[in-house]
Amino acid sequence: QLQLQESGPGLVKPSETLSLTCTVSGGSISSSSYYWGWIRQPPGKGLEWIGSIYYSGSTYYNPSLKSRVTISVDTSKNQFSLKLSSVTAADTAVYYCARIITMIDAFDIWGQGTMVTVSS
Amino acid sequence: EIVMTQSPATLSVSPGERATLSCRASQSVSSNLAWYQQKPGQAPRLLIYGASTRATGIPARFSGSGSGTEFTLTISSLQSEDFAVYYCQQYNNWPPLFTFGPGTKVDIK
Repeated sequence: QLQLQESGPGLVKPSETLSLTCTVSGGSISSSSYYWGWIRQPPGKGLEWIGSIYYSGSTYYNPSLKSRVTISVDTSKNQFSLKLSSVTAADTAVYYCARIITMIDAFDIWGQGTMVTVSS
Repeated sequence: EIVMTQSPATLSVSPGERATLSCRASQSVSSNLAWYQQKPGQAPRLLIYGASTRATGIPARFSGSGSGTEFTLTISSLQSEDFAVYYCQQYNNWPPLFTFGPGTKVDIK
């Protein structure tokens, strides 16, 4: 059974870079049937798509975050990663990684989420 | 940019009753529409994709309909475990972007 697990610091200082990794277990990240995404949810608010990546390395980002976001993939480790630069308190959120089924473009498997707080 | 809206923001329903949730897109998304359920402290769960196809393991009391700009999620007979927040999500073919709606909270009347 495929599982996703987010990891990374829970506290980031303002103006610094938030870095998270999603480890995929129970299946391969290198499948054309799927691609991978990051979504975040500020406390008490809704879901915001951050960006997506194919195992080939092709990436697509939310235009509102594009200038600050980098998503990468490491197929040898079955992981993909998120970097968000110049963070502010507005970037405080639960960050989820998820699998996207290529044929239906929907997020079918999610990680449990990791809370990241931006504070000095 | 496609903007998604959902109504109502909160829906109060008694167990056993029917719940109807609406989602609207600012421009046509064809049938590229999914619905998710999220309970407190949990990740969202995929319910419906392609506007009307139930995801694996989703009970038949959940159904989706619509196309273009207007979509509906119906829960035919609410069970206690269905009280949650529901989000719609559209997918834009090019550029490949996702947008979530603001959510509808279904709570106990």
